[in-house]
Amino acid sequence: NAGVTQTPKFQVLKTGQSMTLQCAQDMNHNSMYWYRQDPGMGLRLIYYSASEGTTDKGEVPNGYNVSRLNKREFSLRLESAAPSQTSVYFCASTPGTSGYNEQFFGPGTRLTVL
Amino acid sequence: KQEVTQIPAALSVPEGENLVLNCSFTDSAIYNLQWFRQDPGKGLTSLLLIQSSQREQTSGRLNASLDKSSGRSTLYIAASQPGDSATYLCAVSPFNKFYFGSGTKLNVKP
Repeated sequence: NAGVTQTPKFQVLKTGQSMTLQCAQDMNHNSMYWYRQDPGMGLRLIYYSASEGTTDKGEVPNGYNVSRLNKREFSLRLESAAPSQTSVYFCASTPGTSGYNEQFFGPGTRLTVL
Repeated sequence: KQEVTQIPAALSVPEGENLVLNCSFTDSAIYNLQWFRQDPGKGLTSLLLIQSSQREQTSGRLNASLDKSSGRSTLYIAASQPGDSATYLCAVSPFNKFYFGSGTKLNVKP
């Protein structure tokens, strides 16, 4: 049981390049989340998917798009990377569609945009 | 908008000391509160989840309390050990969204 997995672990991009961060969970969870973590700012929610087929914006969605490919997978795409998107990106999942749920996190993707 | 604050930002204590980490939030309409541990360069590990109807949760040397009316939670760590050194984050959930504090960095000195 791998839990929440993320690929890649590290990535360096040039300004304007695009890339997709992949996330998968094997816990049969309904809800999935993408966060970014910047020094001294805690985690901020980018997008979330309460259930398969739905996605919603979080606090900082600008510059990102997401796809809930199926119940297991939730990807985050940067269409035209900017230096301000240099951050650590975490994917998380919870069992249900309500707030009474424990979050489980992946190991993170460390992204640098030059 | 929900604001979550954790004080202090950093804490250094000698091994064996009991300590309390604080988490405060501005909107008491939450479904649950979760405490996490984060080691340097790693992801977040869940420590305790308190649902809004509960007052506290315990796991080993950890005890978390929740006072929704005052917008506060505390994480109590008994008999601290060097292995407890990490950053501790709290997160509150109004519904499907989760709001995080910026964490307390704990250093337990041998």
